[in-house]
Amino acid sequence: DSGVTQTPKHLITATGQRVTLRCSPRSGDLSVYWYQQSLDQGLQFLIQYYNGEERAKGNILERFSAQQFPDLHSELNLSSLELGDSALYFCASSILSGGAYNEQFFGPGTRLTVL
Amino acid sequence: DQQVKQNSPSLSVQEGRISILNCDYTNSMFDYFLWYKKYPAEGPTFLISISSIKDKNEDGRFTVFLNKSAKHLSLHIVPSQPGDSAVYFCAALIGSSNTGKLIFGQGTTLQVKP
Repeated sequence: DSGVTQTPKHLITATGQRVTLRCSPRSGDLSVYWYQQSLDQGLQFLIQYYNGEERAKGNILERFSAQQFPDLHSELNLSSLELGDSALYFCASSILSGGAYNEQFFGPGTRLTVL
Repeated sequence: DQQVKQNSPSLSVQEGRISILNCDYTNSMFDYFLWYKKYPAEGPTFLISISSIKDKNEDGRFTVFLNKSAKHLSLHIVPSQPGDSAVYFCAALIGSSNTGKLIFGQGTTLQVKP
């Protein structure tokens, strides 16, 4: 158990809909990261927040947005869903904002299926 | 543009033998590299890392080698055990960037046969 929790574990929805994925970081961690793992793909970095502020952005679609709240939990919002958005979405957390030796701990993921 | 590549989708080895997983990268700004291990229905877990100032890092049965001139790293597992069967991801980071943006390879599925 990494100490990072993600809800829900599974989500099935239809195209055009909007969903929210939730992540609670390990106690004491200030950074939260979101990654997407599509079929046959590695993990793609989406976005990082550090202590409530956006710190880094990857190839995150404009239909996707995220935020980190004062209690440090984070939400990833996916809207106007398409079939290609079906994937595993992982949240990770770490103590620092970046740099080497700043180990990221991953949650178990949310599996999103868009029908 | 895949900056971190793991060209072997899968690898099968016999228990007790050596497993060698390979990873190539293209961005010369990367200066810190990590290996993560992932079991089904779980998130990735950190395994071992190496800084670009080193060419080798060892932790028990796991050793990572870095060849900067070839932009290549490899993970050696000796001896391999059935419990090592998992997906292994190589990842890279620009350490000076002050972000935790990890760039991952596609993963290699390792099967260790008893």
